[in-house]
Amino acid sequence: SQQGEEDPQALSIQEGENATMNCSYKTSINNLQWYRQNSGRGLVHLILIRSNEREKHSGRLRVTLDTSKKSSSLLITASRAADTASYFCATESSGNTPLVFGKGTRLSVIA
Amino acid sequence: SQTIHQWPATLVQPVGSPLSLECTVEGTSNPNLYWYRQAAGRGLQLLFYSVGIGQISSEVPQNLSASRPQDRQFILSSKKLLLSDSGFYLCAWVTGTGGYGYTFGSGTRLTVV
Repeated sequence: SQQGEEDPQALSIQEGENATMNCSYKTSINNLQWYRQNSGRGLVHLILIRSNEREKHSGRLRVTLDTSKKSSSLLITASRAADTASYFCATESSGNTPLVFGKGTRLSVIA
Repeated sequence: SQTIHQWPATLVQPVGSPLSLECTVEGTSNPNLYWYRQAAGRGLQLLFYSVGIGQISSEVPQNLSASRPQDRQFILSSKKLLLSDSGFYLCAWVTGTGGYGYTFGSGTRLTVV
């Protein structure tokens, strides 16, 4: 079953603009993670935010988590053409339970 | 350093043929191992996971099976492939008891014809 649902399904922006992707989930979580997938490749872990955290930064990435609304957002600032990829959120419900992934957002950054 | 190897990268198999996909991890011990499948343009579906040698948890009943003959080796198999088995198969590992990001292999594109 898929826990996370990303929104929008697809996003197209100009280089230099910010990209925001949202993720909603249904059950309580230990942490929420964001991954990136270039076309035809494996997923790469970007950032993890724990249930007791509200915001986290990593380079040009900013992730927020609102456990009361069961939602998270991923912001990529000053996007580059190389950011073009699919982005997935994944939730871990409890220790040692497998991650459950959403369907992803396809981001296109136009140079 | 910790690495994950997954092969083959692409595979075209006829319906009814057997399947064996292999995944090995280097540079860590006692990892949790996972097989996911991704349909075209879709999210990841968990197929199997293992927290130790010989231990396999199945998430989706189907004609696929998994085995973990060694600590850092995870194998996905089928005796007879179906058309619906086509997809992108991804192996992943994580160490610890939760709270860490997964490391994924580069995937196997399986086309059943």
